[in-house]
Amino acid sequence: DQQVKQNSPSLSVQEGRISILNCDYTNSMFDYFLWYKKYPAEGPTFLISISSIKDKNEDGRFTVFLNKSAKHLSLHIVPSQPGDSAVYFCAATGNNDMRFGAGTRLTVKP
Amino acid sequence: DTAVSQTPKYLVTQMGNDKSIKCEQNLGHDTMYWYKQDSKKFLKIMFSYNNKELIINETVPNRFSPKSPDKAHLNLHINSLELGDSAVYFCASSQGGGPSLPGELFFGEGSRLTVL
Repeated sequence: DQQVKQNSPSLSVQEGRISILNCDYTNSMFDYFLWYKKYPAEGPTFLISISSIKDKNEDGRFTVFLNKSAKHLSLHIVPSQPGDSAVYFCAATGNNDMRFGAGTRLTVKP
Repeated sequence: DTAVSQTPKYLVTQMGNDKSIKCEQNLGHDTMYWYKQDSKKFLKIMFSYNNKELIINETVPNRFSPKSPDKAHLNLHINSLELGDSAVYFCASSQGGGPSLPGELFFGEGSRLTVL
């Protein structure tokens, strides 16, 4: 059961533009959401998170938006840089459970 | 100085063999985990363990067993390997928590297991 879905397996963006990565979830018990970034041959690393009591969290070039009614969150990266090219995993936690999406591969072209 | 390290990074073995993947964390974290990244790229939790409690994902076959000699180590033993066990296995750790946690996980680099 795919409780966390990232429907776009890949995304290509020009350097300097905005990257928007999307994530949908189905379990209303999830109350904390995280984004992880993964380079090839490395483990995922934590990027940014948001609690369900908020609808936005910003950290430098990275902003996560949460729409609880739509059970949707998105990660915005602006401006995008070539070093941002990686696979981005969305994760959702709550009720003693944590689920990951399948990831979106972001390619930022110079 | 790697925070979460796992060995080996690559493991190729025959069906029916028994193998282990080791994991060590030097972060002083309380809880360690094993995740399997399946063929569809989903990261699925297999176990979470702190020094008091082992939580097993009920979908994990009992051929898989975690062994924790101390708080800094959580090794994964797999008996009677099957073709479907081929995957990348990630170890992770966190301060406090269990399968659901408000903080962040620190992952190892992954161990790619190929069963022939």
